[in-house]
Amino acid sequence: GAVVSQHPSRVICKSGTSVKIECRSLDFQATTMFWYRQFPKQSLMLMATSNEGSKATYEQGVEKDKFLINHASLTLSTLTVTSAHPEDSSFYICSVPPGANTEAFFGQGTRLTVV
Amino acid sequence: GENVEQHPSTLSVQEGDSAVIKCTYSDSASNYFPWYKQELGKRPQLIIDIRSNVGEKKDQRIAVTLNKTAKHFSLHITETQPEDSAVYFCAATSRGSYQKVTFGTGTKLQVIP
Repeated sequence: GAVVSQHPSRVICKSGTSVKIECRSLDFQATTMFWYRQFPKQSLMLMATSNEGSKATYEQGVEKDKFLINHASLTLSTLTVTSAHPEDSSFYICSVPPGANTEAFFGQGTRLTVV
Repeated sequence: GENVEQHPSTLSVQEGDSAVIKCTYSDSASNYFPWYKQELGKRPQLIIDIRSNVGEKKDQRIAVTLNKTAKHFSLHITETQPEDSAVYFCAATSRGSYQKVTFGTGTKLQVIP
């Protein structure tokens, strides 16, 4: 199946700094990428949808100026957590949407810890 | 938007017994219902899925049933094994220009040897 590669898998940053997470589609072109956040013992919550060549769409309650999304090419989508705070510590996962005959494909996830 | 409810939140079964997890969804236009197993710190792993033109699907010990009229679907695991212990999520997708996936709240399954 399709492969989505997400980096880094784990990152620790200081409060107030920014962190960039990358998701690459390795053997196909992805015009759309979902970005999820998962807090401990909770479900995956959709944060935003990135679209190649256009602005990202953010879910209600997600600050677009804090979570910057860029979909610069058909194989790369990035999420930048700006001015990170401890409450941003979470597991972030990207995903290519399912298609008419395909399943969704997920990146490996990024464990972000803000200290 | 779509809302997916999942029950129970925790489930303990004896090894060899069956486990059933149930989900309901709100958007009658949803047409794809995957089930995921997630181990701690890992990405969700698709274990079975069903599309709205089918009422039941089975893959070895795992089966999913879908009732479109009632807007609910269920996961059935038979002959459970300790390695089935994990968190399971149901999900539903809504129609649109892309298939937005909404996850249920999760079920922590523990299989007791």
